[in-house]
Amino acid sequence: GEDVEQSLFLSVREGDSSVINCTYTDSSSTYLYWYKQEPGAGLQLLTYIFSNMDMKQDQRLTVLLNKKDKHLSLRIADTQTGDSAIYFCAERFSGGYNKLIFGAGTRLAVHP
Amino acid sequence: ETGVTQSPTHLIKTRGQQVTLRCSSQSGHNTVSWYQQALGQGPQFIFQYYREEENGRGNFPPRFSGLQFPNYSSELNVNALELDDSALYLCASSLDGLRTSGANVLTFGAGSRLTVL
Repeated sequence: GEDVEQSLFLSVREGDSSVINCTYTDSSSTYLYWYKQEPGAGLQLLTYIFSNMDMKQDQRLTVLLNKKDKHLSLRIADTQTGDSAIYFCAERFSGGYNKLIFGAGTRLAVHP
Repeated sequence: ETGVTQSPTHLIKTRGQQVTLRCSSQSGHNTVSWYQQALGQGPQFIFQYYREEENGRGNFPPRFSGLQFPNYSSELNVNALELDDSALYLCASSLDGLRTSGANVLTFGAGSRLTVL
């Protein structure tokens, strides 16, 4: 079936690292994505990873993929108050069209 | 390069009415997808349009319909509105909806927030 699961809430202190976790079900997914949503806004792509990679780093963001366990994580280094938002993990549907299957989102709260 | 634009940003309707939401895709993108995001949930795929035809659909009833125009812009129509249709409707465009290689990133608009009373 199609299901992506995420923990709903994470609170971190400014300057610490944040780790947001996600599990997915479709082992045929070729790409996995992280999107950010700020209040009242649409989705902003943060990064994505191809399924044959274990890790991808992009400035403060590090994505880790454990394909055997179908587990994806997003690490944000030196978390800032501007990082407060909802973070969505998504897997690419393995059928013939460009559909993403999203988790329910993890709300990240950054406090001083 | 212009991004994805949606209109209207907010609207209120009553049960049984019909609504049309509009989307202009990002320059160079020929595929448009629509997603429904209920409060506190992740976006759910409604359908995708490629070359003016629907080529993928999620678990939504036929009263959800759409159009894509030759300039790749799109409309989402919802008939016989129900209270549960209250949500943020997101439009996303991508370079080629049939391409299975490459990341084929979706670029999202800011959404249209529909409230059904």
